[in-house]
Amino acid sequence: EDKVVQSPLSLVVHEGDTVTLNCSYEVTNFRSLLWYKQEKKAPTFLFMLTSSGIEKKSGRLSSILDKKELFSILNITATQTGDSAVYLCAASKGNAGNMLTFGGGTRLMVKP
Amino acid sequence: DAGVTQSPTHLIKTRGQQVTLRCSPKSGHDTVSWYQQALGQGPQFIFQYYEEEERQRGNFPDRFSGHQFPNYSSELNVNALLLGDSALYLCASSWNRGKNEQYFGPGTRLTVT
Repeated sequence: EDKVVQSPLSLVVHEGDTVTLNCSYEVTNFRSLLWYKQEKKAPTFLFMLTSSGIEKKSGRLSSILDKKELFSILNITATQTGDSAVYLCAASKGNAGNMLTFGGGTRLMVKP
Repeated sequence: DAGVTQSPTHLIKTRGQQVTLRCSPKSGHDTVSWYQQALGQGPQFIFQYYEEEERQRGNFPDRFSGHQFPNYSSELNVNALLLGDSALYLCASSWNRGKNEQYFGPGTRLTVT
């Protein structure tokens, strides 16, 4: 059975801190790893990682995939209160349609 | 450019009733996937529609059914509602020939009493 596990479950930091969120996966016919930010309802797309070892960056956020060890990390530097959200990772399969298997999410709270 | 839209925003139903949720994909997208997100959990894949047919299905009973229309919009139907069907129902759209990044709508919050 396909499985995606995120850690930690929750995290409380102060503005300016750097955080690392973890995502491990066991998915047959794996294709790519996606990260989403969910603040209230709609998960917002952050990154899609397909190749191992290539870091993707967007502002203060960055992510990398290790296909040998089957995990990904999402880093957020100089955190702001607006980064408070649930961060979801999902693994897509290589068959037609790319159904996503999600982890349970990491709830991040950034205090002023 | 309109993103993914869903209706209604909230819905309250009684056990045993039936419900229909609607989704319009992002402009240029032709594939619609539906997910169920229980409180405090990650979304779970229900099914995906492409070319007006169900292409993939997750581990959900036949009470969950769907439809895709020629304009790519989609409906999710749930029959014989159970208390455990209470959740946020998310629709995601993507372009079949693209990188398959899925973009999500704001969801429909269904409460079954």
